[in-house]
Amino acid sequence: GAGVSQSPSNKVTEKGKDVELRCDPISGHTALYWYRQSLGQGLEFLIYFQGNSAPDKSGLPSDRFSAERTGGSVSTLTIQRTQQEDSAVYLCASSFQAGSVTDTQYFGPGTRLTVL
Amino acid sequence: AQSVTQPDIHITVSEGASLELRCNYSYGATPYLFWYVQSPGQGLQLLLKYFSGDTLVQGIKGFEAEFKRSQSSFNLRKPSVHWSDAAEYFCAVGRVSGGYNKLIFGAGTRLAVHP
Repeated sequence: GAGVSQSPSNKVTEKGKDVELRCDPISGHTALYWYRQSLGQGLEFLIYFQGNSAPDKSGLPSDRFSAERTGGSVSTLTIQRTQQEDSAVYLCASSFQAGSVTDTQYFGPGTRLTVL
Repeated sequence: AQSVTQPDIHITVSEGASLELRCNYSYGATPYLFWYVQSPGQGLQLLLKYFSGDTLVQGIKGFEAEFKRSQSSFNLRKPSVHWSDAAEYFCAVGRVSGGYNKLIFGAGTRLAVHP
């Protein structure tokens, strides 16, 4: 596809359950990013991937959050034992050349997570 | 530390009126600046970006932004707003750190357009 895709678009879960959110980056983009957008908040950086490795995980809010990327393409963000404060829109972005100052991130439509 | 401030949380304009959304940044070196728009239920779409050169940058959908170093600002403008411009707008500053262009976003400005 032409753009970044994410699935599911919406996810409702019960407190304490685990969830997996998926991101398909733009073909050829080596860098991939996850952000969280809570209600009324800006975008909070979670994690950055270059290829399959994650040089910067500094934004992951707790050890309940983890992410992986396989084949230098698809990424999965996993939240274990979800809490109500995890409710947010999770956005994925990808970019072509992460080390360049002119590198631009392109965003997917997001996954809206609601924890009941 | 780098930061981005969007002083206006919510703005309402009439269709056809001009628009200016404010963005101020705090950054010690040459900033790389971006404006993104987020329509309801959508992801972020890049409107325009500034890296160097001409301080007036043209973007998509008739938007432009002007970089003013002396004021640490990168305000977004549009001469005539359309109802479809109603959305949330995010300003961001980027810097290469740890091998990638790390983006710091403002809190956003929600734009409403009256017919």
